Amino acid sequence: GQQVMQIPQYQHVQEGEDFTTYCNSSTTLSNIQWYKQRPGGHPVFLIQLVKSGEVKKQKRLTFQFGEAKKNSSLHITATQTTDVGTYFCAGSDGGSQGNLIFGKGTKLSVKP
Amino acid sequence: GAGVSQSPRYKVAKRGQDVALRCDPISGHVSLFWYQQALGQGPEFLTYFQNEAQLDKSGLPSDRFFAERPEGSVSTLKIQRTQQEDSAVYLCASSLRASGVGEQYFGPGTRLTVT
Repeated sequence: GQQVMQIPQYQHVQEGEDFTTYCNSSTTLSNIQWYKQRPGGHPVFLIQLVKSGEVKKQKRLTFQFGEAKKNSSLHITATQTTDVGTYFCAGSDGGSQGNLIFGKGTKLSVKP
Repeated sequence: GAGVSQSPRYKVAKRGQDVALRCDPISGHVSLFWYQQALGQGPEFLTYFQNEAQLDKSGLPSDRFFAERPEGSVSTLKIQRTQQEDSAVYLCASSLRASGVGEQYFGPGTRLTVT
């Protein structure tokens, strides 16, 4: 079945450094979504990418969807302590009523 | 406005007991999803409703798990004869669109501990 792999599993950065997490799918995706989960919290939607090669920006966050629609990345510029949390990618292959398959997430810690 | 709510927030059950977990989605949201999240893992899909119809239950791990959404709003996830491996956070999410594709709004989850 469809699998979504995410690396790295953990990332520790100094405040002000950049951070990137990568997501790879075993199958072509119709869309990919990114969520952030703060410690003790629930996943919160960040963005959805649909088009091949799409790039979207939200302030210091840049999201990319690969040309083949099988990989994606999230890049944070100049991390802040408020960026702490686990970032999940979640892909849909368009079948199964659009159910999302989540990666295991990248846990980001930021040292002030 | 009100988000997705879940109750109880915490549940401790003895092995073999039945439990029922409730989800109140955002009013008017057509799609409702249940996920299971083990510690340190991503949410794993359990089942999906479009209004009152359960369109996909392929993620339910065994026939001890049962979900319903009889009037197309509130949903209940029931686990019969709980086992220790059922210990996890159970997340409910709702989405405005019928296709299931689009932003999902998650509730705070129910943390189930089976002793």
